[in-house]
Amino acid sequence: EPEVTQTPSHQVTQMGQEVILRCVPISNHLYFYWYRQILGQKVEFLVSFYNNEISEKSEIFDDQFSVERPDGSNFTLKIRSTKLEDSAMYFCASSPPTTNEKLFFGSGTQLSVL
Amino acid sequence: ILNVEQSPQSLHVQEGDSTNFTCSFPSSNFYALHWYRWETAKSPEALFVMTLNGDEKKKGRISATLNTKEGYSYLYIKGSQPEDSATYLCGTSYGKLTFGQGTILTVHP
Repeated sequence: EPEVTQTPSHQVTQMGQEVILRCVPISNHLYFYWYRQILGQKVEFLVSFYNNEISEKSEIFDDQFSVERPDGSNFTLKIRSTKLEDSAMYFCASSPPTTNEKLFFGSGTQLSVL
Repeated sequence: ILNVEQSPQSLHVQEGDSTNFTCSFPSSNFYALHWYRWETAKSPEALFVMTLNGDEKKKGRISATLNTKEGYSYLYIKGSQPEDSATYLCGTSYGKLTFGQGTILTVHP
């Protein structure tokens, strides 16, 4: 069964460094998302992406964050200057091109900012 | 209700027990209600997506109901098994999909 893949599974970085989290969505999906979960808190929406542009973003998704679909398969989340509070599990998800469809999640990247 | 709220936060049951948990959400601006099962070290997996008031969905021993007028959904598990142990997330979509904090279910053999 097709699945969303994320790399790396764990990322450790120093505060102030840039990180790029990578995702390969399911190939015929057209909607892409990033979510994160800080330990002990809710899974939070960051951003949705459709037709090569951001369709919606949360207040968390400030100028430090950016998303890109650099080619036909990858979907990346960049954090320009990481802060301690960016430490979280980051999930990528994708969904098919019809409305009210379920999301397919990747297994996540655990980001630790030291 | 302003946000998606789930109760209880955690639940311990014995194998064979039936159980249920609740998802409450703002009834205004409703579009769809999602339930996901999230097992440790795995990715969240969709169980149901429901849109219509009174909708009921079933997948094996798991079923869900939806009341959009009063803003709640119930998830039922009949005859719980240890492999049902997971975090169960509900979320509503009106644009973005917004999740509750989850219910952690532990089924003891």
